[in-house]
Amino acid sequence: DVKVTQSSRYLVKRTGEKVFLECVQDMDHENMFWYRQDPGLGLRLIYFSYDVKMKEKGDIPEGYSVSREKKERFSLILESASTNQTSMYLCATKTGRVTGELFFGEGSRLTVL
Amino acid sequence: GQNIDQPTEMTATEGAIVQINCTYQTSGFNGLFWYQQHAGEAPTFLSYNVLDGLEEKGRFSSFLSRSKGYSYLLLKELQMKDSASYLCAVKDSNYQLIWGAGTKLIIKP
Repeated sequence: DVKVTQSSRYLVKRTGEKVFLECVQDMDHENMFWYRQDPGLGLRLIYFSYDVKMKEKGDIPEGYSVSREKKERFSLILESASTNQTSMYLCATKTGRVTGELFFGEGSRLTVL
Repeated sequence: GQNIDQPTEMTATEGAIVQINCTYQTSGFNGLFWYQQHAGEAPTFLSYNVLDGLEEKGRFSSFLSRSKGYSYLLLKELQMKDSASYLCAVKDSNYQLIWGAGTKLIIKP
């Protein structure tokens, strides 16, 4: 079974703090994604990566950056957290670039005060 | 713009059948996914349709009509553990996923 592990289930940060969310997968998938999930909205893609050192902007990249130094690890960074970044953050991986289903981590619920 | 519509919430009775609809308007179509998400947990893959028709997988079936921009997820013999949100997602012409807001299904005894 694919295992996608997100470093923190719950975080509380203050406005302006730098936030790191880490995601590690154990199935050698090349493709990794960061989404945010908010009530009443569909999942929104923040960034994705098809390979090590490679990153592509999704639909809502503003205020976020990412790092993919190793194949199994994809980090989401909030340089200066704001209250509108309070959300559930979901990491996902998949095998094929255009095929295959997503495997999700359990999510990181971030509250910015 | 691209849009996926699903009912916000549905209620059904244990042992019954429920159909969750999903309609979409997207730039191109390369397949439709259904995911299940229990409260506080990760979404998990249920089904994938790329051709018209019905795909059956145990108690769950998924139907697609590309000409109508329509899909449904059919859950039979409902169990309490089926209480969850069901997410519909369409892969567009660029192979990017467009997600619906999800349907929260409540099962009552």
